[in-house]
Amino acid sequence: GEDVEQSLFLSVREGDSSVINCTYTDSSSTYLYWYKQEPGAGLQLLTYIFSNMDMKQDQRLTVLLNKKDKHLSLRIADTQTGDSAIYFCAESNNAGNMLTFGGGTRLMVKP
Amino acid sequence: NAGVMQNPRHLVRRRGQEARLRCSPMKGHSHVYWYRQLPEEGLKFMVYLQKENIIDESGMPKERFSAEFPKEGPSILRIQQVVRGDSAAYFCASSPATSGRGEQFFGPGTRLTVL
Repeated sequence: GEDVEQSLFLSVREGDSSVINCTYTDSSSTYLYWYKQEPGAGLQLLTYIFSNMDMKQDQRLTVLLNKKDKHLSLRIADTQTGDSAIYFCAESNNAGNMLTFGGGTRLMVKP
Repeated sequence: NAGVMQNPRHLVRRRGQEARLRCSPMKGHSHVYWYRQLPEEGLKFMVYLQKENIIDESGMPKERFSAEFPKEGPSILRIQQVVRGDSAAYFCASSPATSGRGEQFFGPGTRLTVL
């Protein structure tokens, strides 16, 4: 079955870059996603990448996809205290109607 | 354009009672998904519905849990005879029928506490 793994915790200083990593197992996933969850809130879609792409950049966010190794990463440039949250990667199933989430990486940004 | 609405935001029930969680999808979205998030864990898929149809309920527990999405009104996730292990955040998401990217837009969640 599908399994998505993330490291639990990341701490960075304000202004540094953050890199959050994710590995997945379902090679048939068409899209992979990054969501952000702030305390007590729902999930906010940050960005997504199509499986035939290697990289996608969106302002401070850069997504890298290594399909051979089934490795996905999210880089946040110039990390701000407002970026402190839990970040989830997710993959869609073949039909695109079910998301499988990793356990989330808690990002703490120190001033 | 209002986002996905869920209510109540917080729900407290005693063991054995019933919990009803409601979800109104974004305007124009006809697909609804329910996910459960246990404390300190990621979200786990429960069920996928379209209007008046359950499409995929592979993540739903076989007993006590049911979901519907009627022609009119919100989608309802119903948990009968709740137990302490049902305490979790329940998130609803919606998508338009034509979304090729599979994007799902999430509501703020209902946090269920079973005493």
